[in-house]
Amino acid sequence: GAVVSQHPSRVICKSGTSVKIECRSLDFQATTMFWYRQFPKQSLMLMATSNEGSKATYEQGVEKDKFLINHASLTLSTLTVTSAHPEDSSFYICSAGEAGGNNEQFFGPGTRLTVL
Amino acid sequence: QKEVEQDPGPLSVPEGAIVSLNCTYSNSAFQYFMWYRQYSRKGPELLMYTYSSGNKEDGRFTAQVDKSSKYISLFIRDSQPSDSATYLCAMSVTGNQFYFGTGTSLTVIP
Repeated sequence: GAVVSQHPSRVICKSGTSVKIECRSLDFQATTMFWYRQFPKQSLMLMATSNEGSKATYEQGVEKDKFLINHASLTLSTLTVTSAHPEDSSFYICSAGEAGGNNEQFFGPGTRLTVL
Repeated sequence: QKEVEQDPGPLSVPEGAIVSLNCTYSNSAFQYFMWYRQYSRKGPELLMYTYSSGNKEDGRFTAQVDKSSKYISLFIRDSQPSDSATYLCAMSVTGNQFYFGTGTSLTVIP
């Protein structure tokens, strides 16, 4: 299957700082990528849909000014958690589907964010 | 009511058993159905992908979709300890935005 990578895999930061997480599709092009958040022992919650070359679409209740998404190319989307607080600590996972493909979504390995 | 309902378990079975995992859903417009396996602290890994109704088999795994009952299943034959993980169902109307179940935690005991 297609490969999606995330960087970093783990980050610990102080409250008030900003953290950038990268999501890359390594062997295919993705016009759309998705960002999810997963709390311990809970399912994935869709945060936003990242569209290449246009603004992201955010789910209800997700602050777009806090979770900045940039989909600069067909293989890269970034999520920046601005002014992070301890309640933002979570497992952030991206997914991507191949442009023109059969709608299969492939997930990255996730980024564990801990805000002190 | 949630879009997708999944029993969180935990489910514990002996090695070699047949495992049945299920999800129900409320949106009759869903037509893309997926099953993912997620190991602890890892991203989900796609196991099975089905479009519309019917069965799909891949090795020890069989996925079934019953759209009339709004019910999907994943069967694991000859379960192995390495199958111990959380299994997530996901479904979509367009094939773009997916709705996930809460996941079922499975432990296969040697």
